[in-house]
Amino acid sequence: KAGVTQTPRYLIKTRGQQVTLSCSPISGHRSVSWYQQTPGQGLQFLFEYFSETQRNKGNFPGRFSGRQFSNSRSEMNVSTLELGDSALYLCASRSQGENTEAFFGQGTRLTVV
Amino acid sequence: KNQVEQSPQSLIILEGKNCTLQCNYTVSPFSNLRWYKQDTGRGPVSLTIMTFSENTKSNGRYTATLDADTKQSSLHITASQLSDSASYICVVRDTGTASKLTFGTGTRLQVTL
Repeated sequence: KAGVTQTPRYLIKTRGQQVTLSCSPISGHRSVSWYQQTPGQGLQFLFEYFSETQRNKGNFPGRFSGRQFSNSRSEMNVSTLELGDSALYLCASRSQGENTEAFFGQGTRLTVV
Repeated sequence: KNQVEQSPQSLIILEGKNCTLQCNYTVSPFSNLRWYKQDTGRGPVSLTIMTFSENTKSNGRYTATLDADTKQSSLHITASQLSDSASYICVVRDTGTASKLTFGTGTRLQVTL
């Protein structure tokens, strides 16, 4: 069974640009969550999607948005990039249920210059 | 506000020695607690998951404990190996259909010869 796949692995953008990151969950998993990881803040929750609907949202500005498609693949978009958006963006998928494990992808390393 | 605090922030031990990592949380209502291992530049991988009624759970050389009364958990690593060098992240989930994960900032463990 293939794991969670995130593309691209690395990305360099300049301030003011926008970026779209992609996440393909494990087959059969309908829940996809996105996280930002920085050395100072650790992992921070961005949002969670389930069956194409945003089920939960963290405390990030509106420049961060996402969506989920009917095949459960998800995209995350960041507009008007700032230097502080440089981070590792992780996606995790899981099957339904509170105690199910979240499987993480390798992440996309975004650098804003 | 839900919080997860981990200690120590970093740790260096000799190969073959044991160590214990700590996690204190204030997440409520509590659903479950997970310990993840994250190698540099990779996504986190689950080691253990514990629910309210579980006190101890082992996964090979990793043993996690949970005291739901004091809201504390520990991860004990026995006979450490060089491959144990990683960040260990404590993650707590609250309950409900819109449940969220709250992440600790992790303990950076380095195992040396």
